[in-house]
Amino acid sequence: QVQLQESGPGLVKPSETLSLTCTVSGGSINNYYWSWIRQPAGKGLEWIGRVYSSGSTNYNPSLRSRLTLSLDRSKNQFSLWLSSVTAADTAVYYCARETITLGEPIVANYFDYWGQGTLVTVSS
Amino acid sequence: SDELTQPPSVSVSPGQTAKITCSGDALPKQHANWHQQKPGQAPLLVIYKDTERPSGIPERFSGSTSGTTATLTISGVLAEDEADYYCQSADTSGTYRGVFGGGTKLTVL
Repeated sequence: QVQLQESGPGLVKPSETLSLTCTVSGGSINNYYWSWIRQPAGKGLEWIGRVYSSGSTNYNPSLRSRLTLSLDRSKNQFSLWLSSVTAADTAVYYCARETITLGEPIVANYFDYWGQGTLVTVSS
Repeated sequence: SDELTQPPSVSVSPGQTAKITCSGDALPKQHANWHQQKPGQAPLLVIYKDTERPSGIPERFSGSTSGTTATLTISGVLAEDEADYYCQSADTSGTYRGVFGGGTKLTVL
C-alpha cells in the first residue's frame, strides 16, 4: 500500500520561502507523477503542480513564478519550494500520487494516493 | 473554460439517493474524478475516469457523465457519507494541469 507523508516547517515568515518534502513508502517513485495540492482553511482544493519521476514539471500558472518542484529518486522523495510567501499562502498542503493515462483516447488524470496533509502558516 | 462548477450543498435523508453534479465545458474531452473529504482528513478518491470505482470503495458510490455534466450518485446514503465532495479533471492546455470544482457539502439529515 503506497503511503505519502509531508514534512516541513509549520510556520514561515512573510517574504520567505516555504519548503516541504513528501516521502513515499510502500512503492517506487519511478514512472509516476507526483503532485502538490493545497487547501486554505474552509476553502476548496487548489492544484499547485506536479513532478514526474524523470524530473519534468508542470506548474499552476498562478504560482509558476514562485514555485519550484523537484524529486530525489534515491530517497523516494519529492519537494516543493514556494518563494516570497504571503498570508494568502497559508493552507494545508497535501502531496499526492497522480496517475495520468497518456496512452488512452481520452487522457485521465486522477489523484489515487494522498498524504495526510500539513498545515503551513505564513505569519511574522 | 476549464472551470468546474458544483452546487455548494446537497441534503438527503439516510437511505435515499444523493446526486452531486459537476459542470464544465471541458468535460466532454476530459474524464471526471470524484474525491470525498471528511472533516480533518485528506481527500479520498471515490470515482475515477467518470465511472470507475477504486478498490475498497462501496458499490453505493457510482459516477456518470452526459455532455458537459458529470454526476456522482450515492445510493442508500449512510450517515458516514456526510462529507465534502470535489470533482476533479484536467485543463485543456495539453499538459493536463489539475482542476478542482469548488466542492459540495453533503448533509445527511
